[in-house]
Amino acid sequence: AQSVTQPDIHITVSEGASLELRCNYSYGATPYLFWYVQSPGQGLQLLLKYFSGDTLVQGIKGFEAEFKRSQSSFNLRKPSVHWSDAAEYFCVANSGGYQKVTFGTGTKLQVIP
Amino acid sequence: DVKVTQSSRYLVKRTGEKVFLECVQDMDHENMFWYRQDPGLGLRLIYFSYDVKMKEKGDIPEGYSVSREKKERFSLILESASTNQTSMYLCASTLGRNQETQYFGPGTRLLVL
Repeated sequence: AQSVTQPDIHITVSEGASLELRCNYSYGATPYLFWYVQSPGQGLQLLLKYFSGDTLVQGIKGFEAEFKRSQSSFNLRKPSVHWSDAAEYFCVANSGGYQKVTFGTGTKLQVIP
Repeated sequence: DVKVTQSSRYLVKRTGEKVFLECVQDMDHENMFWYRQDPGLGLRLIYFSYDVKMKEKGDIPEGYSVSREKKERFSLILESASTNQTSMYLCASTLGRNQETQYFGPGTRLLVL
C-alpha cells in the first residue's frame, strides 16, 4: 500500500537553528513529492515540489528539500529558522491520478526564542 | 494567484442538521477536492470532482455528499450531521488531470453539538 511517513509528530527548535523534517514514502514507482505548510487556522500552502531532475529542490521562505531515491526520502531543510516558521508541515506524494495522493500525518514545528 | 475560498471559517451545528459547506475557486481549475483534517490523521479525501456534475468517492465518503453544478463551485453536504463529523474541512483545486500542485482554501472548522 502507498504511504507517506513523517516520523516526527512534534519538533522544537531555537530561533536561528537549522531544521530538518523527515519524510519517507512507500510507492511502487517514484511519485511526485511535495511539502506544504499550514499556519494555525489556515489552509495548506505549497513550499516546494519535486517531479524529476535535480534532486535538491529550492522552495519559498528559504526552504529546500532533497530527494534520495535509495532511501525513499524527501527531507525538508532550512538553515536558519525564524519564529514565523512555527506551523505544521505536511509531506505529500502523488503517483498521478485523482485518487493517488497521500498525505503524511504532519510535523508540528515549535520555534523558541 | 489562484484563490480558493470557503464560505465559512467556523460553523456550529446541531446533530441531525443538514450542513452545506461551499468552496469556490477563481482559476478555472478542472479538479476540486474535499478533505477533512483531524489531529494525528493528516488529511483524508472525502470526495473529488474532475468536471461539472462529476464526482468520485475518496477514502471516507460515508455520511457526506457533494455537488458540482458549476465549474468554479464545489459543495460538501452533510445530510444529517453527527458529532463524529466535527472536524476541519479543507477544499482544494488543481488545474489538470495529473493533479500536480493543489491549492487550498483556508478551511472550515465545523463543530457538531
